[in-house]
Amino acid sequence: AQSVSQHNHHVILSEAASLELGCNYSYGGTVNLFWYVQYPGQHLQLLLKYFSGDPLVKGIKGFEAEFIKSKFSFNLRKPSVQWSDTAEYFCAVNADSSASKIIFGSGTRLSIRP
Amino acid sequence: DGGITQSPKYLFRKEGQNVTLSCEQNLNHDAMYWYRQDPGQGLRLIYYSQIVNDFQKGDIAEGYSVSREKKESFPLTVTSAQKNPTAFYLCASTVRGRAYEQFFGPGTRLTVL
Repeated sequence: AQSVSQHNHHVILSEAASLELGCNYSYGGTVNLFWYVQYPGQHLQLLLKYFSGDPLVKGIKGFEAEFIKSKFSFNLRKPSVQWSDTAEYFCAVNADSSASKIIFGSGTRLSIRP
Repeated sequence: DGGITQSPKYLFRKEGQNVTLSCEQNLNHDAMYWYRQDPGQGLRLIYYSQIVNDFQKGDIAEGYSVSREKKESFPLTVTSAQKNPTAFYLCASTVRGRAYEQFFGPGTRLTVL
């Protein structure tokens, strides 16, 4: 069965610090990978997605993620965070055999100190 | 504006009562989903429906029921059999076959007293 692990439950950073949130998945076949974000008081929304091709994917608001197949990882990065990046971040996976649903990780709460 | 509406935002019920959470979408999406969000556990899939009059159990379907009589609507009933119903419930929809691009509603926080 597919699963997604996010080992950092709560990350606290100062503004301008660099960010890396870990995401590992378990599935041996082809996968599609996603990061979703939930800003305080807002709907959950798609941040970025990977299907194929360049393993470095760029999303909105300066976020990027790198797919490393050998490590089953899809870590989220941002070189310099802002206070407005305070949110909860969810990694998700969708195996090509299951176009009907995706599996979410447990989420990482990111708090940015102004 | 197109989107997903969930009502009410906050819901309180006494233990032992069934309660139905509403989810409506005007995005013309075929597929709809219900998730439960608990602190530290992320989103867990309760039920999903790819087309009208058809739905499948997710990972934690026990104690819940759904119906899909109309394309726009996918109500979730939390029954008295659900052992720990207090949670934040999220509804989502997608174009059929594109499960990755989920559009979420604002959620309903259910508290069972």
